[in-house]
Amino acid sequence: ETGVTQSPTHLIKTRGQQVTLRCSSQSGHNTVSWYQQALGQGPQFIFQYYREEENGRGNFPPRFSGLQFPNYSSELNVNALELDDSALYLCASSRQGDTEAFFGQGTRLTVV
Amino acid sequence: QQQVKQSPQSLIVQKGGIPIINCAYENTAFDYFPWYQQFPGKGPALLIAIRPDVSEKKEGRFTISFNKSAKQFSLHIMDSQPGDSATYFCAAIRGRQLTFGSGTQLTVLP
Repeated sequence: ETGVTQSPTHLIKTRGQQVTLRCSSQSGHNTVSWYQQALGQGPQFIFQYYREEENGRGNFPPRFSGLQFPNYSSELNVNALELDDSALYLCASSRQGDTEAFFGQGTRLTVV
Repeated sequence: QQQVKQSPQSLIVQKGGIPIINCAYENTAFDYFPWYQQFPGKGPALLIAIRPDVSEKKEGRFTISFNKSAKQFSLHIMDSQPGDSATYFCAAIRGRQLTFGSGTQLTVLP
């Protein structure tokens, strides 16, 4: 059974650019959630995807968007990057209806 | 709006000590309360979780105490080891969304 994998592990982007982060969910999991973790803070919920549809969203602007693919993998896209977008982006997968979510190791995004 | 408040921010104990981390929540719609452990450069990993109709749950050296009327819950780590040094997050679940506390950085001295 493979765990949740995210790519890339580290990324440096310039303010105003766009970025795409990727997540492969754990085998058998059909729900993917994305979180933003600023340095020294707890993760903040961005959104969740189930059956390729957004299924809940936190307090993030529309320039944060996502996709889920038929194999349940997912992408997080962030447009018009701002310095405050610098953070660890975490993907978590679960089975629909399960309370337990499994996290990947995250992508460290630095915006300069 | 911080819906889950966690304290202390950092904690240092000697090996064998019992660190206690406390959390308080506001939203009574939360229906599941997990604790996560995070090591540097890694994602959070689920340690133990509890439902609000249970007052205590033990798994190995980890115990959650839950006080529904006070809307508070805490994590106790028995016989703490240097390998337990990590950041611990409490969380609360409503629907499909995890709301995390701000984290406690635990250091267990040898």
